[in-house]
Amino acid sequence: GAGVSQSPRYKVAKRGQDVALRCDPISGHVSLFWYQQALGQGPEFLTYFQNEAQLDKSGLPSDRFFAERPEGSVSTLKIQRTQQEDSAVYLCASRQNSNQPQHFGDGTRLSIL
Amino acid sequence: GNSVTQMEGPVTLSEEAFLTINCTYTATGYPSLFWYVQYPGEGLQLLLKATKADDKGSNKGFEATYRKETTSFHLEKGSVQVSDSAVYFCALSLDSNYQLIWGAGTKLIIKP
Repeated sequence: GAGVSQSPRYKVAKRGQDVALRCDPISGHVSLFWYQQALGQGPEFLTYFQNEAQLDKSGLPSDRFFAERPEGSVSTLKIQRTQQEDSAVYLCASRQNSNQPQHFGDGTRLSIL
Repeated sequence: GNSVTQMEGPVTLSEEAFLTINCTYTATGYPSLFWYVQYPGEGLQLLLKATKADDKGSNKGFEATYRKETTSFHLEKGSVQVSDSAVYFCALSLDSNYQLIWGAGTKLIIKP
């Protein structure tokens, strides 16, 4: 069975460019999470969706970060006017329900030059 | 606040040695506790979990016991292999809060 799929695996962008990161969750998983993982650190929560509803975006570091999941399946994390401090691995996870653990994708490694 | 503290790495062991990676937590309420593993170049994988006090999670020879009295969830394995080399993350989740709260990770290096 397919796991959580993220694309691209690697993204290099120049400072000031906009980027879009995609997450395909496991089919049927209601919950979807985005995390940011800096080098040598644990993941930090960014935002959470239940179906298409974004229930928590308290972890988004600035208004340059925007996430959507319009049909309750695929999600996109968009970062506008990227800065060097945005360089990190962005992880997506999905979960069937609150009694199940989160399943993670391989992440997108974003490098801002 | 809620937090997870792990022993700093890297932890370097010889093959077949006994492994302990310490994890302690601070939480309001009654968290579920998890160990995730991240192999080089791969994503996070759930290794084991425990949802209430005195539960023992186990998988692939690893085990951890949820100790409420010491607020700990130490990861152990009796005989490590080179293939266990990875970064191990301890995490918690509260019933009232779906977020996973993570430790900083512990890099494990197993030498043949």
